[in-house]
Amino acid sequence: DTAVSQTPKYLVTQMGNDKSIKCEQNLGHDTMYWYKQDSKKFLKIMFSYNNKELIINETVPNRFSPKSPDKAHLNLHINSLELGDSAVYFCASSHSTANYGYTFGSGTRLTVV
Amino acid sequence: AQTVTQSQPEMSVQEAETVTLSCTYDTSESNYYLFWYKQPPSRQMILVIRQEAYKQQNATENRFSVNFQKAAKSFSLKISDSQLGDTAMYFCASFTSGTYKYIFGTGTRLKVLA
Repeated sequence: DTAVSQTPKYLVTQMGNDKSIKCEQNLGHDTMYWYKQDSKKFLKIMFSYNNKELIINETVPNRFSPKSPDKAHLNLHINSLELGDSAVYFCASSHSTANYGYTFGSGTRLTVV
Repeated sequence: AQTVTQSQPEMSVQEAETVTLSCTYDTSESNYYLFWYKQPPSRQMILVIRQEAYKQQNATENRFSVNFQKAAKSFSLKISDSQLGDTAMYFCASFTSGTYKYIFGTGTRLKVLA
């Protein structure tokens, strides 16, 4: 019954690899997001999709590519992983207006070695 | 530009006492919303409380309440009767209609002491 589910919860990989994180929501929301939380706990938006359309694309290396096959799913693919990509990645969803708050997934801790 | 500032990196409070976490924000918009989120050690981000900027009345949710000072652009969170389960990082966030994105503060780590 998880509202926003992310997989995997933990990901350890070597530099240079390509990896994906998946996110699914069953709340009927039409907007989904990816946030990155760094080692100092700072949360910064990366991408947002509204009804499968990319609406926010912050200054993120183009090694990061989001994909939204439908409004219930937003995946994040990362090419050529670097040490600095190590962080916790959060998926979230909301209604379009988003003024009632986000529902977050439990996060994916990515460690690049 | 939208900014959110939390000036207290860490705080502690004795169980059953009251603690107030500070947050200031800046926005040029008139229609915005403010939030407090809690992130316990489990890492899950949980919405604690929400305030609509056009409402003068301070929001309350059980032991959690806010002191919203619109002119001063201040939005503090008061936790009454603190419990051990309140130990967490607390993030203040602002949202402006039409932007689709939240701006988060840097967080305050709260420890409730037994």
